[in-house]
Amino acid sequence: KNEVEQSPQNLTAQEGEFITINCSYSVGISALHWLQQHPGGGIVSLFMLSSGKKKHGRLIATINIQEKHSSLHITASHPRDSAVYICAVETSGSRLTFGEGTQLTVNP
Amino acid sequence: GAGVSQTPSNKVTEKGKYVELRCDPISGHTALYWYRQSLGQGPEFLIYFQGTGAADDSGLPNDRFFAVRPEGSVSTLKIQRTERGDSAVYLCASSLRGMLSYNEQFFGPGTRLTVL
Repeated sequence: KNEVEQSPQNLTAQEGEFITINCSYSVGISALHWLQQHPGGGIVSLFMLSSGKKKHGRLIATINIQEKHSSLHITASHPRDSAVYICAVETSGSRLTFGEGTQLTVNP
Repeated sequence: GAGVSQTPSNKVTEKGKYVELRCDPISGHTALYWYRQSLGQGPEFLIYFQGTGAADDSGLPNDRFFAVRPEGSVSTLKIQRTERGDSAVYLCASSLRGMLSYNEQFFGPGTRLTVL
């Protein structure tokens, strides 16, 4: 079993829909990261959180430390949100352990 | 300001050859990380530098892989006797302070290595 599990692996939505991507982990962490990867490989950090909830524009990330679970929500989704979304947990020495990613496609 | 840069962007080599991949971190970032991403997978950790020293090299798959950061800035990942299974995108990231947790990592564009 991977230390970081994401669901779903693939997600297709219509423009405007509310989207949720889930992440569960099995190890002790100091922080959890949500990252976005566009075709061509560039990775951008979206959120880094260790408790509660963070919001940036149409993106919301939540984490429940007791349940070892985090969610990434996208409100009013848009085709430009199409990308791979990756959950990663920060453990000792700040190394990241990544989930396998969720491929999101938002159709117009 | 400049982000993390990696060179080359693409590298095609033959099985058995030696390759070097370079990473230029953001100026002033003391922590530097190398990751490897195979097609359809999430990245996997290789090695982490804090300053000039390798603080954690537990992710290096075998002794064909080696990385250096002699002056605490630029890092080179070296792969000897390349194998077809080494084909992947090699990602570099840097952060301001690695010894403290809760540090945002900034990623480079990656080097796509293809071993024929």
